[in-house]
Amino acid sequence: DTAVSQTPKYLVTQMGNDKSIKCEQNLGHDTMYWYKQDSKKFLKIMFSYNNKELIINETVPNRFSPKSPDKAHLNLHINSLELGDSAVYFCASSQDLRSGFNTEAFFGQGTRLTVV
Amino acid sequence: AQSVTQLGSHVSVSEGALVLLRCNYSSSVPPYLFWYVQYPNQGLQLLLKYTSAATLVKGINGFEAEFKKSETSFHLTKPSAHMSDAAEYFCAVSTTGGFKTIFGAGTRLFVKA
Repeated sequence: DTAVSQTPKYLVTQMGNDKSIKCEQNLGHDTMYWYKQDSKKFLKIMFSYNNKELIINETVPNRFSPKSPDKAHLNLHINSLELGDSAVYFCASSQDLRSGFNTEAFFGQGTRLTVV
Repeated sequence: AQSVTQLGSHVSVSEGALVLLRCNYSSSVPPYLFWYVQYPNQGLQLLLKYTSAATLVKGINGFEAEFKKSETSFHLTKPSAHMSDAAEYFCAVSTTGGFKTIFGAGTRLFVKA
C-alpha cells in the first residue's frame, strides 16, 4: 500500500517533446511537493502546493507546469524538454507545516527523466 | 531563511567502526530537523527527526542524532557501521509555515569490509 506513488518510474524522451509525471498520495496530507535531484544528488525544491493551491514556485522555468486536481494528486507537465531537464524528479507530501506538528516529508520512488 | 550544510560529500568507514556524518543548520526560527537516507535508485526514507522534546534523537537502523543549539548542529552517528548502511544521507530543515524542506547536499557513506 504505497504512500506516495509516482508514474512513470523511468521516462526517456527526445528534446522538444512534452511529457507528464503523475503523483498521488494516500496519506491524507495537505501539502505536496516536487523536487528535482540532479546528477550530483543535490535535491532542490521546485514547487509546493497546499490544498491544491500553489504556495512556492522556486524560479522554475515556465515550461514546467504543476497541476493539482485535488489535494491527493500533484502532476507535473513539462513542455519543450531540454537536455538539462534530465534528472530524477521526486514527489513528496507532508502535513500542513502550519499545523505546528514536526512533520516530515514522505517521498515517492522518483521518476528518472532522460532527455536525448 | 533556512539552510543546511553537510560537511564532507564522501565519508568512508570500516565495517564495525563509528559512523559520524556532520550537519550544521541555519534558521531564524526554531527549526525542525531531519535525517533521510537514500539507497541507490530509491526514494528518500526518514531516519529520524528532531521534535524539540529531546536533544538526543534515536532513529531507525541504530542511528541517532544530537541537536546542539549552541553549535547549530545536528550530527548523525551510529556506533558500529554495517555494510548495509552504505547509502546517501541527507540532512534537512523545515519550519512551521515554511512550506518547504531544505536539504543539504548529501553525504555518501562508504563501508569497507
